[in-house]
Amino acid sequence: GAVVSQHPSRVICKSGTSVKIECRSLDFQATTMFWYRQFPKQSLMLMATSNEGSKATYEQGVEKDKFLINHASLTLSTLTVTSAHPEDSSFYICSARAGGGRQYNEQFFGPGTRLTVL
Amino acid sequence: AQKVTQAQTEISVVEKEDVTLDCVYETRDTTYYLFWYKQPPSGELVFLIRRNSFDEQNEISGRYSWNFQKSTSSFNFTITASQVVDSAVYFCAQFTSGTYKYIFGTGTRLKVLA
Repeated sequence: GAVVSQHPSRVICKSGTSVKIECRSLDFQATTMFWYRQFPKQSLMLMATSNEGSKATYEQGVEKDKFLINHASLTLSTLTVTSAHPEDSSFYICSARAGGGRQYNEQFFGPGTRLTVL
Repeated sequence: AQKVTQAQTEISVVEKEDVTLDCVYETRDTTYYLFWYKQPPSGELVFLIRRNSFDEQNEISGRYSWNFQKSTSSFNFTITASQVVDSAVYFCAQFTSGTYKYIFGTGTRLKVLA
C-alpha cells in the first residue's frame, strides 16, 4: 500500500528558531500534498495545499511567511515553521495524493510530527 | 458550504457494548466522498472507510458497520461489541470535487472501559 512518512516524528525547539518538517511519499508520486495542524483535543485543520513545482495555496488565516512550504519533487514536501513560538506547538500532519486532475484520488496520511516550542 | 458535524464530543461505554458515532455532513456538491478515521493516542490516522456519494449501500467490516443516508446527510459508524482497543478519537471527514479538500469533523473521543 501507499506509505507516507514524516520526519522528524517529534521535535522540541527554542522559541525563535526555525523547524523543518519533511513529508515523503515512499512508494508513489504525489502531485499534491496537504499540510494539516491539530491542536490538542481538536480537529485537523487544513493549512495549505502544495502542488509539485508550484507555490502552495494557503488557507485563510495561515501566514504564508511563517509556514513555508516547498514541494520540490513528486515525493517530497517540506514545511518550515519560521521563528517558532510556543503557540506554534502542535501536531502537524501531511497527506499525499497520487495522480492528477480533479477526479478524486486516494490521499494517504503521514504519521504526524509533534512540535513543541519552548 | 462544506461542513462535517460530529455532535458527540466524548462517549464512554463498557466493554462489549455497542456504540454508534454520529456524523452529519453538508455540501452542495453532488459528487463527494465520506470517510471515517481512527486516531489512537499515537496520533497517526488510521483509515477505516471511504464512501462515495453515489453508493448508499451500508457496509459491514467485522465489528464495524456504517450507515450512509443521503436523505438525512448522515454517515454513522457503529462498533459492535466494543473492546478496550477501540478507545480512540474517531473523525468523520468529507472530500468534495468542488472544493477539492478534506474537511474533518471535530472528532468523537470514545472510551471503552474494561
